[in-house]
Amino acid sequence: GDSVTQMEGPVTLSEEACLTINCTYTATGYPSLFWYVQYPGEGLQLLLKATKADDKGSNKGFEATYRKETTSFHLEKGSVQVSDSAVYFCALRTSYDKVIFGPGTSLSVIP
Amino acid sequence: DAGVTQSPTHLIKTRGQHVTLRCSPISGHKSVSWYQQVLGQGPQFIFQYYEKEERGRGNFPDRFSARQFPNYSSELNVNALLLGDSALYLCASSLGDRNSPLHFGNGTRLTVT
Repeated sequence: GDSVTQMEGPVTLSEEACLTINCTYTATGYPSLFWYVQYPGEGLQLLLKATKADDKGSNKGFEATYRKETTSFHLEKGSVQVSDSAVYFCALRTSYDKVIFGPGTSLSVIP
Repeated sequence: DAGVTQSPTHLIKTRGQHVTLRCSPISGHKSVSWYQQVLGQGPQFIFQYYEKEERGRGNFPDRFSARQFPNYSSELNVNALLLGDSALYLCASSLGDRNSPLHFGNGTRLTVT
């Protein structure tokens, strides 16, 4: 069945460091791919999305490129801030609103 | 515009009891879906309703049921609660097509003792 795998956390970085969170997926068909973020005490928020191969999603300095050949959708940011501390979920959707989430990667950014 | 609203925010129940969680979608959204998020894990899909019809169901027992009302709000019902049902229950709304994003509420934290 469809699934999402993402790197284990927690990840701790210093402010202004580079961030990469790896995400790979298994899916039949042509899924849409998403990164969601969950800040402490808040609900899930859509961070960025890509709906077809080679699309690049971007938002708030974060980027991810839909790589069909490697079935990956890695999240990257060139310079993280303390305010980026959150849990990040990679997710896919193949039909209607059934979204399959990865286990999440907790990120802590220290000043 | 108001986002997705869920009630109550927190709930404590005893094993064997029944619980009803409520969700109001963003205005104009006809699709509502429910997810269970156990601590430290990603959300797991429970149900989706679109135009008051069930469109999808995840791998959850029959103790879980849901419905959608004419105003597109929704209820999730869980019968015969187990300790393992303790989780954050998230509601999400969308326009219903494959590329429109899900908008999540802040969830209902259910604790079963």
